[in-house]
Amino acid sequence: GNSVTQMEGPVTLSEEAFLTISCTYTATGYPSLFWYVQYPGEGLQLLLKATKADDKGSNKGFEATYRKETTSFHLEKGSVQVSDSAVYFCALGGGYNNNDMRFGAGTRLTVKP
Amino acid sequence: DVKVTQSSRYLVKRTGEKVFLECVQDMDHENMFWYRQDPGLGLRLIYFSYDVKMKEKGDIPEGYSVSREKKERFSLILESASTNQTSMYLCASSLGRAYNEQFFGPGTRLTVL
Repeated sequence: GNSVTQMEGPVTLSEEAFLTISCTYTATGYPSLFWYVQYPGEGLQLLLKATKADDKGSNKGFEATYRKETTSFHLEKGSVQVSDSAVYFCALGGGYNNNDMRFGAGTRLTVKP
Repeated sequence: DVKVTQSSRYLVKRTGEKVFLECVQDMDHENMFWYRQDPGLGLRLIYFSYDVKMKEKGDIPEGYSVSREKKERFSLILESASTNQTSMYLCASSLGRAYNEQFFGPGTRLTVL
């Protein structure tokens, strides 16, 4: 079945460093791909999404490109801030109307000033 | 903005108690979901509902039941709480269309003693 594997954390970076969190997937068909972010004490918020191959999702300086040939959707940001400290989840939409969404285990990012 | 609310942020119950977790969304979404979130395991789907009075089992339905009597409200019931149900519970909703993301509530951290 569908599954998502993302980079294990935790990841600790200094402010203004470059961020990459890897995400690869296994799926049948052409699923939508998502990155969600969870700030301390909160639920998940959609960060960005891509619905077809070669689509690039972007938001708040974060980007991810849907790569069908490598089955990947890596999250990147050129210069992280302390406020980016959170847990990041890669997710794969599946089933009828994305009812069967699969999440990665989450990657905790800590950014130090 | 879509708002998904959950009845409690924190809940402490005793083994054997019946526990109700309530979730309400205000955007007329067809689909609603209950997940549990555990460290290192990401989110796992317990149940989802695609219409009033309709429900489907997710990956880990054992020990749980759900109720959806109105479109905006989806309840998760632990018939007889056990310590291994101590977890973070997240409710989500989505439109019943392809490519749509899920919107999450803030979560309920349940501790069963």
